[in-house]
Amino acid sequence: KAGVTQTPRYLIKTRGQQVTLSCSPISGHRSVSWYQQTPGQGLQFLFEYFSETQRNKGNFPGRFSGRQFSNSRSEMNVSTLELGDSALYLCASSPAAGGGNEQFFGPGTRLTVL
Amino acid sequence: AQSVAQPEDQVNVAEGNPLTVKCTYSVSGNPYLFWYVQYPNRGLQFLLKYITGDNLVKGSYGFEAEFNKSQTSFHLKKPSALVSDSALYFCAVRDTNAGKSTFGDGTTLTVKP
Repeated sequence: KAGVTQTPRYLIKTRGQQVTLSCSPISGHRSVSWYQQTPGQGLQFLFEYFSETQRNKGNFPGRFSGRQFSNSRSEMNVSTLELGDSALYLCASSPAAGGGNEQFFGPGTRLTVL
Repeated sequence: AQSVAQPEDQVNVAEGNPLTVKCTYSVSGNPYLFWYVQYPNRGLQFLLKYITGDNLVKGSYGFEAEFNKSQTSFHLKKPSALVSDSALYFCAVRDTNAGKSTFGDGTTLTVKP
């Protein structure tokens, strides 16, 4: 099976712009989670989607949003970018939502905000 | 609120020696516990998990972890370290109510030849 894929892998934006990141989960996986990884803050949970519904949300401002499509692919959007949004954004999929299911991570999208 | 602590930012061991990467957690209910490894410029890879049952769980690449409920710990161990084990290790917890996953800050393991 192909792994989790994320596009684009690298992105450079300027403050105030918006960005959309895409994630394709492993075939058959219906749960997708997003994380922000930075050197100072570690791995921070953004949100989790299952069957097109947001199940959990982390402590991020409303500028961060996401959605999941019927084929389980997911997108996250960040509007009005700030310098502090520079980070590695990781997507993870699992067969089902929550509990004891391990997550399979993509390689990430490296976002740089200038 | 749930939390995970990895008290050591860095662990250094010599190749062939046993290694331990520490993790303690806090959840309101029963925990699901996970270890992931991240190699440079790559995403996280699942190593092992504790759901229920035996307190000692075995995972990929010869790693194992021991769940200790009284000490709320889930330390990662390996009897004989390899240079190729050098990476960033994350402990994660999720409560049984299927809430979000919370990750520790990570521990950088360096194995020297």
